[in-house]
Amino acid sequence: KAGVTQTPRYLIKTRGQQVTLSCSPISGHRSVSWYQQTPGQGLQFLFEYFSETQRNKGNFPGRFSGRQFSNSRSEMNVSTLELGDSALYLCASSFGSGYEQYFGPGTRLTVT
Amino acid sequence: TQLLEQSPQFLSIQEGENLTVYCNSSSVFSSLQWYRQEPGEGPVLLVTVVTGGEVKKLKRLTFQFGDARKDSSLHITAAQPGDTGLYLCAGGYSTLTFGKGTMLLVS
Repeated sequence: KAGVTQTPRYLIKTRGQQVTLSCSPISGHRSVSWYQQTPGQGLQFLFEYFSETQRNKGNFPGRFSGRQFSNSRSEMNVSTLELGDSALYLCASSFGSGYEQYFGPGTRLTVT
Repeated sequence: TQLLEQSPQFLSIQEGENLTVYCNSSSVFSSLQWYRQEPGEGPVLLVTVVTGGEVKKLKRLTFQFGDARKDSSLHITAAQPGDTGLYLCAGGYSTLTFGKGTMLLVS
């Protein structure tokens, strides 16, 4: 069974630009969650999508958004990038609430 | 807000030593999960503990969930270099709250 895949793996952007990250969940999983990981704050929850609907949202500004497609693939978008957005962005998939989450390898975003 | 505190933050030991890392909270969790993350990769789920007082063993790793379901520990016996990584505990139902992790270096 293929795991969670994320593209791209590495990305370098300039302040003020926007970026879109992609996540393909494990086949059969309908829930996709996104997390931001930084050395200072650790892993922080961004949002969760289930069957194309955002079900939960973390405490991040509106510059962070996401969506989920009918095949459960998900994208997250960050607009007007700031230096502090440099982080490892992780996607996790599961069957749904209460089920174990499985993480992808992450996208390393560097904002210069 | 449910918070998870992990200790120690960093641990450097020699191969063959035993160690224990801790995950504590003031909140009750219905379950806790332990992950290991290697540099440049996503966390990999090691175990989920659900019942207060539960003990689970995974080869040389022993996980325990506190009776009150507010804390958990991970004990590694005879650590090996392959155990090196960031150990994270996490709790929650639909959204996971993570501790900041214990970075373990086995040399």
